[in-house]
Amino acid sequence: QKEVEQNSGPLSVPEGAIASLNCTYSDRGSQSFFWYRQYSGKSPELIMSIYSNGDKEDGRFTAQLNKASQYVSLLIRDSQPSDSATYLCAVIQGSARQLTFGSGTQLTVLP
Amino acid sequence: DAGVIQSPRHEVTEMGQEVTLRCKPISGHNSLFWYRQTMMRGLELLIYFNNNVPIDDSGMPEDRFSAKMPNASFSTLKIQPSEPRDSAVYFCAARTGVSDTQYFGPGTRLTVL
Repeated sequence: QKEVEQNSGPLSVPEGAIASLNCTYSDRGSQSFFWYRQYSGKSPELIMSIYSNGDKEDGRFTAQLNKASQYVSLLIRDSQPSDSATYLCAVIQGSARQLTFGSGTQLTVLP
Repeated sequence: DAGVIQSPRHEVTEMGQEVTLRCKPISGHNSLFWYRQTMMRGLELLIYFNNNVPIDDSGMPEDRFSAKMPNASFSTLKIQPSEPRDSAVYFCAARTGVSDTQYFGPGTRLTVL
């Protein structure tokens, strides 16, 4: 059973819109949460990490965490065509601090 | 800092052949992870090392897969014999001892014919 769930998409938004990516996880003890961006044919690249409930903003990106609902999201404001990629949610689970990845959401920003 | 280095970037081989993938982690990053990525199964952890010691190899699919880390600057993932279902992109990632952030190498795209 997959422990980190994401909508696989594809998700399409027009340029300039807000893209909203969602992720749920099953391990209530999880403490660290990450969003990676992966362009086609490239390796995953960390764009955000979040550890506490609430919002964390970095430029056009905002990560939101709700541990009670076991839910983490990523908002991309003023979406650009260069944001078109697959976004992977990753969660640290267990004492070994291993990352468990979701299957990713493919985002396309239409010019 | 050159980041995580992997070689080769592409490998095409025939079923039954031995394949060796190589990884050089970032200096000072004492945890190293091997992942496999396919369309069907996504990104899967195969094995990880901490201070050159294998900690969890439960993700290694079969005995055909083996991994070593003889020193802090080098790791190998070997498949012997290779099968077409091993075709995937294999990533190596590194992490320091004080952060949970993992940094990925460029990956090796393996095709087994």
